[in-house]
Amino acid sequence: DVKVTQSSRYLVKRTGEKVFLECVQDMDHENMFWYRQDPGLGLRLIYFSYDVKMKEKGDIPEGYSVSREKKERFSLILESASTNQTSMYLCASSLEDPGANVLTFGAGSRLTVL
Amino acid sequence: KNEVEQSPQNLTAQEGEFITINCSYSVGISALHWLQQHPGGGIVSLFMLSSGKKKHGRLIATINIQEKHSSLHITASHPRDSAVYICAVFMNYGGSQGNLIFGKGTKLSVKP
Repeated sequence: DVKVTQSSRYLVKRTGEKVFLECVQDMDHENMFWYRQDPGLGLRLIYFSYDVKMKEKGDIPEGYSVSREKKERFSLILESASTNQTSMYLCASSLEDPGANVLTFGAGSRLTVL
Repeated sequence: KNEVEQSPQNLTAQEGEFITINCSYSVGISALHWLQQHPGGGIVSLFMLSSGKKKHGRLIATINIQEKHSSLHITASHPRDSAVYICAVFMNYGGSQGNLIFGKGTKLSVKP
């Protein structure tokens, strides 16, 4: 069964901490995405990557960075966590762009920043 | 301005009922996705379509490109269908290739 695995389901961090959210896919997909989901706002794209070492900003990249050193792994980094980054974070991947292929999502990482 | 609008926002049905969830969008698209999110967070892709109709089990998705509208139908609904259903469109412009635009979701609750 194809999978997108997110390293942590629940995290609690303090304001100012550096936070790493890891995502690994086993489908040899080119595209990987990080979204955040907040009540009433739906899913919003933070960053995506269409190839190793390539990244593009999404709608809300401020306060985040990403890393894709290997095809299967896409990391989301919060350099200095803030309370307004408390959210559900969802990783997804697709073989090609979402105009041609379905997305496969991870189970999500719920981050609380105190 | 929301580019993807779903209706209704909330829907309660009795087991066995036929359910329709609607999605309207305002710009040209190359594909539309229907997603299902159960309590706990995980999202599953149900359909991706760019024209016509697709069917999988009790689920049917249709799209009318001219009217910029899609519907998701569930026949013979069951309590296990209770979830949030999300519509997402892939815009037909030469911008960011990653940019799916999501609706805010329709929360469905099916009572036994």
